[in-house]
Amino acid sequence: AQKITQTQPGMFVQEKEAVTLDCTYDTSDPSYGLFWYKQPSSGEMIFLIYQGSYDQQNATEGRYSLNFQKARKSANLVISASQLGDSAMYFCAMREAPNFGNEKLTFGTGTRLTIIP
Amino acid sequence: NAGVTQTPKFRVLKTGQSMTLLCAQDMNHEYMYWYRQDPGMGLRLIHYSVGEGTTAKGEVPDGYNVSRLKKQNFLLGLESAAPSQTSVYFCASIQGDGLAGPNEQFFGPGTRLTVL
Repeated sequence: AQKITQTQPGMFVQEKEAVTLDCTYDTSDPSYGLFWYKQPSSGEMIFLIYQGSYDQQNATEGRYSLNFQKARKSANLVISASQLGDSAMYFCAMREAPNFGNEKLTFGTGTRLTIIP
Repeated sequence: NAGVTQTPKFRVLKTGQSMTLLCAQDMNHEYMYWYRQDPGMGLRLIHYSVGEGTTAKGEVPDGYNVSRLKKQNFLLGLESAAPSQTSVYFCASIQGDGLAGPNEQFFGPGTRLTVL
């Protein structure tokens, strides 16, 4: 079974609109962390936002927020007021049970977001 | 502070050739990782290291070997390259102090490898 599922291979959004990128996860560990990374066409991986499983509030970082619904095991990324520079590949990732031994991440397959002027 | 660097950035190999990818980090991080990225498959963990002199297998280790002789360097080796190893390879590092919180992985710029 996929541990991280991103069901939107591609999305097109008008500039200045808000966009939600979906991510669902599967784990039986009570302690885990969820990450979103951005990969522009230049190829580098850029960390955007993090949500811990015990965090009471949804994480926010500037125009990025994470809509964390623990019971539904979803961790959707919301980008407000999208910009042309937001066009990129976006990956959701999960770190299960901080094992203090590896801190491994499991990645989803990504969503390619294209912002239309 | 260069962060995580990878050498080389691009490489073309013929089937059966060998090569080593070098990852270096100057952040004194304990943990280091090698991933490969293929279209439609996200990033998959090849091998990782939780400290100097230690390595472990990830999700897709076959055909690769690694070494971590120095804390700041993590080498990925392909002994006999195959076309299935054509991919983009990313190295990442993390402090690995085991504390809760982001502890996000810092990624290198990637190495694009083509095996003919």
